[in-house]
Amino acid sequence: EVQLLESGGGLVQPGGSLRLSCAASGFTFSSYAMNWVRQAPAKGLEWVSTVSSSGDNTYYADSVKGRFTISRDNSKNTLYLQMNSLRAEDTAVYYCAKASRSGWYYFDYWGQGTLVTVSS
Amino acid sequence: EIVLTQSPATLSLSPGERATLSCRASQSVSSYLAWYQQKPGQAPRLLIYDASNRATGIPARFSGSGSGTDFTLTISSLEPEDFAVYYCQQRSNWPTFGPGTKVDIK
Repeated sequence: EVQLLESGGGLVQPGGSLRLSCAASGFTFSSYAMNWVRQAPAKGLEWVSTVSSSGDNTYYADSVKGRFTISRDNSKNTLYLQMNSLRAEDTAVYYCAKASRSGWYYFDYWGQGTLVTVSS
Repeated sequence: EIVLTQSPATLSLSPGERATLSCRASQSVSSYLAWYQQKPGQAPRLLIYDASNRATGIPARFSGSGSGTDFTLTISSLEPEDFAVYYCQQRSNWPTFGPGTKVDIK
């Protein structure tokens, strides 16, 4: 059974930093691209970032480019999102999502999410 | 950025009725469109990918159609567990999601 478990969310002041983690199990982690998708409170979904299976290639939404860094450790089956220079508009539930076999940008399994609140 | 619009915003139906949800793209996305279901307090679940392919474990009452800019998700006969918010998402370009359609109980 595929399981994705996010951690690391919390309350942070504007301009601060936070690192999210996503522990994966139940599939061959090193064979799949992985993603972060966020959802602001009572809002829709927004793709944030993607990392290739090897970790060599990364992609970002314009809204986070230059502030967020996605990475992975295939030896630990773990995905990360380093978030710097956080803004109020980054407040959201952050989901890690596995890429499907049918395309990197279809998300076939999701974690339960971790809440990031940016506020003074 | 490819913008997706969904209609209606809310669909009020009774169990057993047929639900028809629409998604329109601001430019052609070919067949690179997916549908997700999200219930309160839960993560989204992939239902349909490539416009018409059901994801693993998705019941046959869910079907998708369309190509180019106009897409439809049909639930042939609503079950109590189908009342939720449905999002479309394209992967023709950087992925974007529609604003969602809420299917609630009439």
